[in-house]
Amino acid sequence: EVQLVQSGAEVKKPGESLKISCKGSGYSFASYWIVWVRLMPGKGLEWMGIIYPGDSDTRYSPSFQGQVTISADKSINTAYLQWTSLKASDTAIYYCARGKSDDGYNWGAFDIWGQGTTVIVSS
Amino acid sequence: EIVLTQSPGTLSLSPGARATLSCRASQSVSTTYLAWYQQKPGQAPRLLIYGASNRATGIPDRFSGSGSGTDFTLTISRLEPEDFAVYYCQQYGNSPLYTFGQGTKLEIK
Repeated sequence: EVQLVQSGAEVKKPGESLKISCKGSGYSFASYWIVWVRLMPGKGLEWMGIIYPGDSDTRYSPSFQGQVTISADKSINTAYLQWTSLKASDTAIYYCARGKSDDGYNWGAFDIWGQGTTVIVSS
Repeated sequence: EIVLTQSPGTLSLSPGARATLSCRASQSVSTTYLAWYQQKPGQAPRLLIYGASNRATGIPDRFSGSGSGTDFTLTISRLEPEDFAVYYCQQYGNSPLYTFGQGTKLEIK
């Protein structure tokens, strides 16, 4: 079964660091883009950034550039999203998802989603 | 910077009715790179439509997508109880690289 499994919920204090993970299975992890998407309470989906695990090519949304770091370790089929100094406004659900690709053609859509990681930042 | 505007914000319909959801882009989007997702409370989004009109694996044929240029539509031909959810359109390729619309909430009337 093709799936992405994310790490569990986190409760952190402002200023703390955090790294959440997204582990792929059932497919060639290195060959598909992985995106990170934020869902804030009462808001819509926001694209944060995307990484190609095969060569760690990474692109960020201008809204998130410099705020987070996206990385991947293809040897363990895992992508990461990390913060060095959390803010209360980082409270959200974070999803990873796989880029849909047919025979290497990138459709620019996301066909497999992780279950989401809830991050709560509160003093 | 491209902006996707979805309308209406909320759509109230009864099971069995036809739903028409709109996604308008501030600049032209390639039909290849326009997708629709469904999200239910407490669940991850699910890909419904990619390439503007292609149903994703396992998506019932009551869901269809159409449109080109700056105007795209998701149609649900006959609403089932499980279809009431939030729907998002999404584009790829313009700046920023990916953009989501703000969502349309489809609720039971």
